[in-house]
Formats: sequence, structure tokens, C-alpha cells
Amino acid sequence: DGGITQSPKYLFRKEGQNVTLSCEQNLNHDAMYWYRQDPGQGLRLIYYSQIVNDFQKGDIAEGYSVSREKKESFPLTVTSAQKNPTAFYLCASSTTYGSRNTIYFGEGSWLTVV
Amino acid sequence: SQQGEEDPQALSIQEGENATMNCSYKTSINNLQWYRQNSGRGLVHLILIRSNEREKHSGRLRVTLDTSKKSSSLLITASRAADTASYFCATDPVDSWGKLQFGAGTQVVVTP
Repeated sequence: DGGITQSPKYLFRKEGQNVTLSCEQNLNHDAMYWYRQDPGQGLRLIYYSQIVNDFQKGDIAEGYSVSREKKESFPLTVTSAQKNPTAFYLCASSTTYGSRNTIYFGEGSWLTVV
Repeated sequence: SQQGEEDPQALSIQEGENATMNCSYKTSINNLQWYRQNSGRGLVHLILIRSNEREKHSGRLRVTLDTSKKSSSLLITASRAADTASYFCATDPVDSWGKLQFGAGTQVVVTP
């Protein structure tokens, strides 16, 4: 089935550790996105990629890093510099960059700092 | 900063009733989208309305857009228990093309 797969669904991180969230899509989409959602809040854009080997910072990129070496993959690393990383992380993709295109979301990953 | 603000924050209705929620935004937009999110899941796209459109329908959904008031509404008719979810509006501001701005959402509970 076509879609976006995020893993793991639940992740626990000790303070000072880096963790990487995986996002894979088989929709042949050029654009991919990472959003953060805090309880009772809307989504905030962390990073986005319009095409392979290219990515740009979103509104809250500090403490995060990404790579886009393959069209289907857009992993997000939450570094120790992110002071409050506990949140729900959503990966998304669209045919091309731009809001005229429907954005498809994965099922999300819960990250908790312990 | 959040561009879209939904109202009400929460809504509880019975099956068969209509549910209406509103979204207000601050700056000029290219379009506005509505998404649904079931608890702990990803978002699902419902409908997109462009800035030059005033109303769109999709099944039991009706969306209106009033650019002079910078507001939009989502109406779900004949609601079902399966409509229980959070609903978000997302705006595409003219000055930051492609960077959707999401509101905090309206949590809708439909009881049988």
C-alpha cells in the first residue's frame, strides 16, 4: 500500500542523547516535511525538503537536523540541543512543494524525554 | 506564530446533529485547508478552498471562506460517532508560500 511510514511509534530519550526518527514514503513525492505537535496545540513546521538533496529550516528548526539523501527518506534527528523535545512528531509529503497540493501525513512518533 | 485560530476549542454534540467550527486568521492567504486528526494519529486532509472561492462542498462537509473577515467555517452535517476527532484549519499565507500555518484545532465529540 502507498503511504508514509514513521518509526518508531514510541521513543524514549535520556537527556543529552540524540535520537533519530525515521520517515519513509513510497508515494513518489518530491516534497517532505517534519512537524511537531504539542498537546492541545497545532502543528509547527521543523524542516521541509522540496527535492532530494535539498532542505530548509521551518519555524522551529533549532535543536533538530535532517537529511534528504534519497527521495523516499527524510529522517529527523532530535539533538541534545533541543531543550524540550517531548512531543508528537509528524512526517508528511506532497507531490511537489506548495500548499496547492494535498499534504499526506504519517501516523506520527511520540518522543518522551526520561 | 499560529495564523489560524479555531473556535470553539471543543464541541460536544449528538449523532445526527450538525457541527460547525470556525477559523480566523490574520494575514492574506493563498488558500485555506481543513484537516481531521483522530486521537494519537496523523492528520487527514478534508478540503481545500482557494482565496477566490467562497464555498465548497465535499460529501457531508461544507466549507465557507470570507476573506474580508479573514475567517472560514467548517460544517459537518448529520454527524456520526466516527466524526469524533480534532479538526484543524491550515492557512497558506501570501508572504510565506507553502508554509502552512495550523491552528490549535477544535475537538469534536459525537455521542451516539
